[in-house]
Amino acid sequence: QKEVEQNSGPLSVPEGAIASLNCTYSDRGSQSFFWYRQYSGKSPELIMSIYSNGDKEDGRFTAQLNKASQYVSLLIRDSQPSDSATYLCAVNRPGGSYIPTFGRGTSLIVHP
Amino acid sequence: DTGVSQNPRHKITKRGQNVTFRCDPISEHNRLYWYRQTLGQGPEFLTYFQNEAQLEKSRLLSDRFSAERPKGSFSTLEIQRTEQGDSAMYLCASSLPGGDYGYTFGSGTRLTVV
Repeated sequence: QKEVEQNSGPLSVPEGAIASLNCTYSDRGSQSFFWYRQYSGKSPELIMSIYSNGDKEDGRFTAQLNKASQYVSLLIRDSQPSDSATYLCAVNRPGGSYIPTFGRGTSLIVHP
Repeated sequence: DTGVSQNPRHKITKRGQNVTFRCDPISEHNRLYWYRQTLGQGPEFLTYFQNEAQLEKSRLLSDRFSAERPKGSFSTLEIQRTEQGDSAMYLCASSLPGGDYGYTFGSGTRLTVV
């Protein structure tokens, strides 16, 4: 079992819709979770971090964490064509090493 | 300070040659990471520095790979006797001390081994 799993997609949504991206992780002791956006040919860019169970909102983005189910998600409201990118889920190992393990990413396509 | 800087942006080398990449992190970031990314995959951890100390190196990393961070500032990643399987994007990231704040990536160095 991979440490961080994401559906590779692509996930295709119409402009203005809500895009829902999901991630599961295997290490129950993990405490820190991040979502990165990566445009084609570019490096990853941090968009959200979440540390506690529940929801965290930042503009059009909402991160959701459920540690009991070992599940992290990212919702993008009012999706725009400029949101088309690969979204990477990263989970820090437990124990304070601050080393993130990345999933393979989900490709999101927002069509006009 | 404009972020994490990586040089060169692109490197084409012949199989068997040695290559060296450089990363200049954000100045107040004491943690520095090297990752490798191939097409369709997420970044794969290579090694991690806190200040000048190399605290962890991936078990998957060949002995042909070595990294340094003298004086806790910039870092170099060297690959000796390159192989075609080393072709990838090599990413450097840095982060602030004291907590889990997420990581700022550089633009990466794309290595092609021919």
